[in-house]
Amino acid sequence: DVKVTQSSRYLVKRTGEKVFLECVQDMDHENMFWYRQDPGLGLRLIYFSYDVKMKEKGDIPEGYSVSREKKERFSLILESASTNQTSMYLCASSSPPVYSPLHFGNGTRLTVT
Amino acid sequence: QQQVKQSPQSLIVQKGGISIINCAYENTAFDYFPWYQQFPGKGPALLIAIRPDVSEKKEGRFTISFNKSAKQFSLHIMDSQPGDSATYFCAARAGNTGKLIFGQGTTLQVKP
Repeated sequence: DVKVTQSSRYLVKRTGEKVFLECVQDMDHENMFWYRQDPGLGLRLIYFSYDVKMKEKGDIPEGYSVSREKKERFSLILESASTNQTSMYLCASSSPPVYSPLHFGNGTRLTVT
Repeated sequence: QQQVKQSPQSLIVQKGGISIINCAYENTAFDYFPWYQQFPGKGPALLIAIRPDVSEKKEGRFTISFNKSAKQFSLHIMDSQPGDSATYFCAARAGNTGKLIFGQGTTLQVKP
């Protein structure tokens, strides 16, 4: 069974802090994704990666960056956290082909005060 | 700009009833339409999916109906059960990008 693990379930950070959200998958998937989930807005794609050291912007990349140094690990970085980045962050992975399902982690609830 | 529009935002159904959730899209490049189910405290998980070369797909009590000309698709849950209470997301993917675009989500409550 695919397991996608997000390092923290809850995080509280202060405005202006640099924040790292970590995600690890154990199924050797090439594709990894970061979404944020907000009520009434659904899941919005922040960044995704098709391979190690590769990254592509999603629909709302502003204020975020990512790092993928190893195949199993995909990190989301908030360079300078702001209150409007308070949200639920979901990591997902999938294997080719493009129609294979996304496997999600259980999310990190980030609060920026 | 929401590329996939989902309704209703919330839905209450009696046990044994039919739950219907609707989605509409604009991008004709979309060619894969999955539905994801999310329970509280968990990440979404794939429930059922359809390609636009068929008009309907059924898996147990769950059915996707697809109308290509209207650019709409819907999820029907027959004989709804309290265990179906969850948030449901429709989604769409354009094959050449691999990106999955989600709708706004529907919170379903099935009353005993």
